[in-house]
Amino acid sequence: EAGVAQSPRYKIIEKRQSVAFWCNPISGHATLYWYQQILGQGPKLLIQFQNNGVVDDSQLPKDRFSAERLKGVDSTLKIQPAKLEDSAVYLCASSSWTGRNEKLFFGSGTQLSVL
Amino acid sequence: QKEVEQNSGPLSVPEGAIASLNCTYSDRGSQSFFWYRQYSGKSPELIMFIYSNGDKEDGRFTAQLNKASQYVSLLIRDSQPSDSATYLCAVNKGSNYQLIWGAGTKLIIKP
Repeated sequence: EAGVAQSPRYKIIEKRQSVAFWCNPISGHATLYWYQQILGQGPKLLIQFQNNGVVDDSQLPKDRFSAERLKGVDSTLKIQPAKLEDSAVYLCASSSWTGRNEKLFFGSGTQLSVL
Repeated sequence: QKEVEQNSGPLSVPEGAIASLNCTYSDRGSQSFFWYRQYSGKSPELIMFIYSNGDKEDGRFTAQLNKASQYVSLLIRDSQPSDSATYLCAVNKGSNYQLIWGAGTKLIIKP
């Protein structure tokens, strides 16, 4: 089966610019996650979607970050304007939502450098 | 206090020995516990999960859970150089089963 697709793989921008990331989850997976992983740290959940709806966006900096999941499939994450501290790997993951033991499948991530 | 704590390492283990990785968590309401492996520059991939007290074995990997002491561990038997990676502990809690992640332990297997 095809895995989680993400693009771009790398992105370099200057601070105050905007950037967008795209994710296509595994077919049939209802739950989609965006994580931010700063070097040397564990993934930090930014937003979790269940189909079209937002389950958890409590750690999403809503003044600069936005995310949408149209038709319950693809998702985009946008940062506008970017700050230096946004430099990180942005991981998209999906799961079929089997409850407490759900397995997350991760995409290859987007490495963002903000200069 | 962090919700999920791991020793950052690096933990250096000779090839063929047992590698022991530990994780503690703060919320007694946590329900499921996961070990993910992350190679440098790659994304995390699930190795094992456990939700009952005791041991769970899968090949060379054994997960151990002690809810009374609030720790979970991962043992890797017959360690191989290919096991060198960062091991992330994640804990599932709440009505939406949110995953809380530790910062990971870097494991180095020396030939």
